[in-house]
Amino acid sequence: GENVEQHPSTLSVQEGDSAVIKCTYSDSASNYFPWYKQELGKRPQLIIDIRSNVGEKKDQRIAVTLNKTAKHFSLHITETQPEDSAVYFCAPTGTASKLTFGTGTRLQVTL
Amino acid sequence: NAGVTQTPKFQVLKTGQSMTLQCAQDMNHNSMYWYRQDPGMGLRLIYYSASEGTTDKGEVPNGYNVSRLNKREFSLRLESAAPSQTSVYFCASSDPRPSGRSYEQCFGPGTRLTVL
Repeated sequence: GENVEQHPSTLSVQEGDSAVIKCTYSDSASNYFPWYKQELGKRPQLIIDIRSNVGEKKDQRIAVTLNKTAKHFSLHITETQPEDSAVYFCAPTGTASKLTFGTGTRLQVTL
Repeated sequence: NAGVTQTPKFQVLKTGQSMTLQCAQDMNHNSMYWYRQDPGMGLRLIYYSASEGTTDKGEVPNGYNVSRLNKREFSLRLESAAPSQTSVYFCASSDPRPSGRSYEQCFGPGTRLTVL
């Protein structure tokens, strides 16, 4: 099965700074790379995803970059705001039916 | 659309009791999933149903059973609850399509279960 690791496990940044979270995976057949955000006490929600035929995707202040050769992909958040404080999960997969979630990165944006 | 709904929201059980967690979705999705979330462990897949009439084990199926009642509903049963099953349980659904937001999983609000 897929072996997924996220780094760092916790990240604290000042408002306005950038944050980067990295996800490494083991299955070379993985072809879909999503990031989910989970606010405290809430359900996880998809915020951005990328397919293996694309190296980078951007949506306003968030972006995902993929390095298939090295088997890692990263979430980039620019101009961080307090509402970005949450736990972020990566979930690389090669099959539609099964996502393997990382253990999460707790992002704290301080004023 | 309500999306994915789960009942109950909270439940306290004694060791050895049984219960069923209910999940329903109104998005006409084919696939449904049950996860458990423990502190520092992320989301771990218990069982999933790729389509109506099929179910498969995930990463942590021991102590659980599931039923895909119809396309809308997917229930999770604990036959004899144990303290190790104290967790937050999330149901999710998805409908992989050849384009667009394929593979996106839509989650329910969760059930917080405590086993004493």
